[in-house]
Amino acid sequence: DAGVTQSPTHLIKTRGQQVTLRCSPKSGHDTVSWYQQALGQGPQFIFQYYEEEERQRGNFPDRFSGHQFPNYSSELNVNALLLGDSALYLCASSLAGLTAKNIQYFGAGTRLSVL
Amino acid sequence: RKEVEQDPGPFNVPEGATVAFNCTYSNSASQSFFWYRQDCRKEPKLLMSVYSSGNEDGRFTAQLNRASQYISLLIRDSKLSDSATYLCVVNPRGTDTGFQKLVFGTGTRLLVSP
Repeated sequence: DAGVTQSPTHLIKTRGQQVTLRCSPKSGHDTVSWYQQALGQGPQFIFQYYEEEERQRGNFPDRFSGHQFPNYSSELNVNALLLGDSALYLCASSLAGLTAKNIQYFGAGTRLSVL
Repeated sequence: RKEVEQDPGPFNVPEGATVAFNCTYSNSASQSFFWYRQDCRKEPKLLMSVYSSGNEDGRFTAQLNRASQYISLLIRDSKLSDSATYLCVVNPRGTDTGFQKLVFGTGTRLLVSP
């Protein structure tokens, strides 16, 4: 049973560039959430996708956008990169429609460095 | 005020010690609570869910006090392999949608030494 997979594992970009990160959810899961984790901080919620639509969004600017595909995989796009966007980007998958005890499973993350 | 607050530590304890972590949350409507463990440069992994009645999993015990909006994690007989960052996690949304937005604390770092 494949877990949550993310690609690439590491990425180096320069300010102003655009980046696309990818995530495949755990088998059987239909909901994907994205989080940003800066060094020394806990993960911060960016947004969540279900049925190919953004269902919830955290306090992130419009430079952060996403997409979910019919196979439930997802992409996170960040435009006009800033130095402060350097972080570990985590994807988490879960199954919608269950109780509050529904669990999110995390991928290993993509470490983005903006120079 | 942060939605979820934790003491960042580090907590330095010897093997075999008992250590307790605390966490407070600000949204009284929060419905579900978790402790995640994160090893250095790795992804967070669920350690345990936290229920109102309290729950235990081996050497780990989690407690929830809704009145005080307080969550705790107790680790007994600490092992070297327990060294990690422990993240207190809250879902502030209602539960009927099944859509979770997890709010993380900054994490408490634990170092267990021989």
